[in-house]
Amino acid sequence: EVQLKESGPGLVQPSQTLSLTCTVSGFSLTDYSVHWVRQPPGKGLEWMGVMWSGGSTAYNSALKSRLSISRDTSKSQVFLKMNSLQTEDTAIYYCTRDNNYFDYWGQGVMVTVSS
Amino acid sequence: DIQMTQSPASLSASLGETVTIQCRASEDIYSGLAWYQQKPGKSPQLLIYGASSLQDGVPSRFSGSGSGTQYSLKISSMQTEDEGVYFCQQGLKYPYTFGAGTKLELK
Repeated sequence: EVQLKESGPGLVQPSQTLSLTCTVSGFSLTDYSVHWVRQPPGKGLEWMGVMWSGGSTAYNSALKSRLSISRDTSKSQVFLKMNSLQTEDTAIYYCTRDNNYFDYWGQGVMVTVSS
Repeated sequence: DIQMTQSPASLSASLGETVTIQCRASEDIYSGLAWYQQKPGKSPQLLIYGASSLQDGVPSRFSGSGSGTQYSLKISSMQTEDEGVYFCQQGLKYPYTFGAGTKLELK
């Protein structure tokens, strides 16, 4: 069974760095790419970036200067790090599998940026 | 970036009614379009990909059509469980972009 699960802190202080982990099961990170998508409360979806199955990455240019995505294939984990967080980064953060489209999603993790 | 414009922003439909949601891309996306349904407190679920292909397990009352810059999602007979927010998404170019969503409620 394909599963993705996000984990990380629920609260981050302004200007600090967010670190999230997406742990996957039921497929290999070397066969499928994994994307990060976020959703501010009550708003729409924003694509953030991708860890390609081959190991390279691509980022939304709006976030590129602050965002880093990496992985540990032995642990089936994809990591997101984003620095200089502001209140507008408050959102639910999802990881999702790329099967040409986003066919499986994690449950999401709510991240609040507040002092 | 490719802009995705959805309409309407919200609508209500009666049981059994046919519902249509529109999505327009700012440039030709060559059928590189998906539709997702999101229920409150849940993650999005893929309904349609490649503009018109039904994802496994999705009821056949859902269908997608369109080409070029204009696409639509149709629900042939509204059911209670179809309430939620529907998003379109282009998968042709990075950054992948989503429509703002259409909130569908039961009348």
